[in-house]
Amino acid sequence: GQNIDQPTEMTATEGAIVQINCTYQTSGFNGLFWYQQHAGEAPTFLSYNVLDGLEEKGRFSSFLSRSKGYSYLLLKELQMKDSASYLCAVMDSNYQLIWGAGTKLIIKP
Amino acid sequence: EADIYQTPRYLVIGTGKKITLECSQTMGHDKMYWYQQDPGMELHLIHYSYGVNSTEKGDLSSESTVSRIRTEHFPLTLESARPSHTSQYLCASSDGQGEAGELFFGEGSRLTVL
Repeated sequence: GQNIDQPTEMTATEGAIVQINCTYQTSGFNGLFWYQQHAGEAPTFLSYNVLDGLEEKGRFSSFLSRSKGYSYLLLKELQMKDSASYLCAVMDSNYQLIWGAGTKLIIKP
Repeated sequence: EADIYQTPRYLVIGTGKKITLECSQTMGHDKMYWYQQDPGMELHLIHYSYGVNSTEKGDLSSESTVSRIRTEHFPLTLESARPSHTSQYLCASSDGQGEAGELFFGEGSRLTVL
């Protein structure tokens, strides 16, 4: 079967750095997405990786290793507004998105 | 900002009622999706469409139907609501594959069935 694994919850301090990991096993691979979802709201797109390596977008970076079936989302200079769930999703060989359950990130002052 | 809209935002209904959740997008996207999401859980695909008159079933489709008569409109219908249907329903659209496969979500319809 297909599955996406990510930690259920993480806690970090304002101003610090946090890394959220995602491992996947899917039927084929056509890219990996990270989405942010604030409580009670819809997910919003953060990043997309299809080749190995690091993609940087401001305070957020996303890394992919296809051979290891592994990705991480790195958040720097954490702000209170970064408290949210972070969803990892992989596009399989049929271009369907397989979703992880999300990692709830709690930021403390 | 994404131009995808869902109505109603909140709905409380009794068991056995028929309901339709509306979803419209003004971006001209061919691909549209309906997801169900319980709090703290992953998104489950209910139905999807790759264009007008094209609809496919996802993982949780057996108790609902969709139609795609116009590009911009993708309504979801529950013929007979049950308490197990209580959840958040998210509509999304995209215009392609790869990074263009980025999904734009509506604000969601939160359904409670008594």
